[in-house]
Amino acid sequence: QKEVEQNSGPLSVPEGAIASLNCTYSDRGSQSFFWYRQYSGKSPELIMSIYSNGDKEDGRFTAQLNKASQYVSLLIRDSQPSDSATYLCAVIMFSGGYNKLIFGAGTRLAVHP
Amino acid sequence: GAVVSQHPSWVICKSGTSVKIECRSLDFQATTMFWYRQFPKQSLMLMATSNEGSKATYEQGVEKDKFLINHASLTLSTLTVTSAHPEDSSFYICSANRENDQPQHFGDGTRLSIL
Repeated sequence: QKEVEQNSGPLSVPEGAIASLNCTYSDRGSQSFFWYRQYSGKSPELIMSIYSNGDKEDGRFTAQLNKASQYVSLLIRDSQPSDSATYLCAVIMFSGGYNKLIFGAGTRLAVHP
Repeated sequence: GAVVSQHPSWVICKSGTSVKIECRSLDFQATTMFWYRQFPKQSLMLMATSNEGSKATYEQGVEKDKFLINHASLTLSTLTVTSAHPEDSSFYICSANRENDQPQHFGDGTRLSIL
């Protein structure tokens, strides 16, 4: 079982729609969760961090965390073509004696006009 | 603005060359920095954790004699790819965070092409 799993996509949504990105993780003890956006050929940039169960909103982005289900999601409202990118779910896991940031494979989002 | 600076952005060199990549935290001290590698259409894979003043911790399958990491100060970590070969061609990215469980901030990455 992969430590952090995401649907690779592509997820295609029309401009203005809500894009929903999902992620599951294997370590029940994880406490810190992040969503990064990565444009082709660029390094990841942080969009959201979430540490507690429930929703966290920042502009058009909402992160949702359910630790009991080991599930974290990202909603993008009013999707824009500029949101087209790969979205990486990342989870801090304790492994080998220290905390490591483990990435999912990423979901490619395509927002079409 | 950027909080982690990485240099160079691009390197193209001949097989057998050693290449050094620098990673700097710009406005905070980072006792720990991280080095990732990303092949095309794949996710980031952690190569090693760079610890200031001590040896780096390498992930399973990463050759520590080939990927030399030095973290000589609280704001600088370097990755040297020794005797690079075409299979080492990849996108190398460093990151750092202010606190252990806080988000990691990434450098812009170094695209390494070995001919």
